[in-house]
Amino acid sequence: QKEVEQDPGPLSVPEGAIVSLNCTYSNSAFQYFMWYRQYSRKGPELLMYTYSSGNKEDGRFTAQVDKSSKYISLFIRDSQPSDSATYLCAMSAPPGKSTFGDGTTLTVKP
Amino acid sequence: GAVVSQHPSWVICKSGTSVKIECRSLDFQATTMFWYRQFPKQSLMLMATSNEGSKATYEQGVEKDKFLINHASLTLSTLTVTSAHPEDSSFYICSAHRTSGEETQYFGPGTRLLVL
Repeated sequence: QKEVEQDPGPLSVPEGAIVSLNCTYSNSAFQYFMWYRQYSRKGPELLMYTYSSGNKEDGRFTAQVDKSSKYISLFIRDSQPSDSATYLCAMSAPPGKSTFGDGTTLTVKP
Repeated sequence: GAVVSQHPSWVICKSGTSVKIECRSLDFQATTMFWYRQFPKQSLMLMATSNEGSKATYEQGVEKDKFLINHASLTLSTLTVTSAHPEDSSFYICSAHRTSGEETQYFGPGTRLLVL
């Protein structure tokens, strides 16, 4: 069983929809939780960074971490075609390298 | 802040030649950098962890003599694909671990390698 499981997708939504991307994990030592966005033929870019449990909001993006359930989510409000990309969740225990989910490919249709 | 560059962005080479890829953290120091390989529509595959001033740690199944890693300074790591073959054609991405502020990995833009 993988340490990090990510909803595989692909996901296709109409423009303006609310998108929910999710990951579960098994390692209770994880304390740092990240979401990366990767466009085709590009390196991943850090989208959201959260330490421990709670919510973090940045514009149309909200990251939620529930350590008790070992579950993290990324919500995208008012989704745009430019949000079409692969989204990777990642998490780490200090200090150390991150463990990544396999990614969810999102397509937002105009 | 937290910018990581890679050079070259793409390279085409003949089978049997060696190719060097550079990864630089431009505005922070990174004692640890990571090298990944990614095939089309697949996830990142960690190849090795590069530590400044010491030998790299390779993941299982990755040939260290094939993929030479040097982390010469706190801002530069290099990956050399030796005696490249067509099956080495892939997208290679590095990341640098920042240990201040948001302590996480920041990725370079990737290098696309095509071996003919």
